[in-house]
Amino acid sequence: GAGVSQSPSNKVTEKGKDVELRCDPISGHTALYWYRQRLGQGLEFLIYFQGNSAPDKSGLPSDRFSAERTGESVSTLTIQRTQQEDSAVYLCASSLETGSRLEAFFGQGTRLTVV
Amino acid sequence: AQSVSQHNHHVILSEAASLELGCNYSYGGTVNLFWYVQYPGQHLQLLLKYFSGDPLVKGIKGFEAEFIKSKFSFNLRKPSVQWSDTAEYFCAVRGGSYIPTFGRGTSLIVHP
Repeated sequence: GAGVSQSPSNKVTEKGKDVELRCDPISGHTALYWYRQRLGQGLEFLIYFQGNSAPDKSGLPSDRFSAERTGESVSTLTIQRTQQEDSAVYLCASSLETGSRLEAFFGQGTRLTVV
Repeated sequence: AQSVSQHNHHVILSEAASLELGCNYSYGGTVNLFWYVQYPGQHLQLLLKYFSGDPLVKGIKGFEAEFIKSKFSFNLRKPSVQWSDTAEYFCAVRGGSYIPTFGRGTSLIVHP
């Protein structure tokens, strides 16, 4: 596609429910990142996928968070047993990782509200 | 570990004023540096990047940034801001990690 696509754009869920967020990266981009942005805060790294390498999960805040990526395409971020502190905008980005083409392209984000 | 510090959290200017937003990073090796902008209601988009070579980098919409290695800085500048520059600005660094680390962001409000 033309850009990084995320769905849903907004999600309201009850505390304790599981949620799944989806990211479609730009075609051909081998790297994919998930970040979290809480209100008034910067971007907090969650997880990084690069090609067929093992993902870097060092930013996941707890074992309630997990993510998968199918090859070099779609990724899903799953949050189990959501808590109110999980409320944030979840951003997905992808990058080409060729030569100097290292910049990340971001999607619109999914605004998650846990009530 | 790499980190980024943006000193100005909120900046308010009048149109035609000059802008400089500070960005300092901590990483001792080779870095790639970025400035992103997020206009109200829109997604983050790249303003400019430093990869190598000329430390003075020019980006879109009249923005530029200068990489000063000795100061670990990558400040963003624009000689004359417009009301349409009202946005959130984020500095980011890629050092030893492949993962860009972002600063907290600077909220810029430009009054017409």
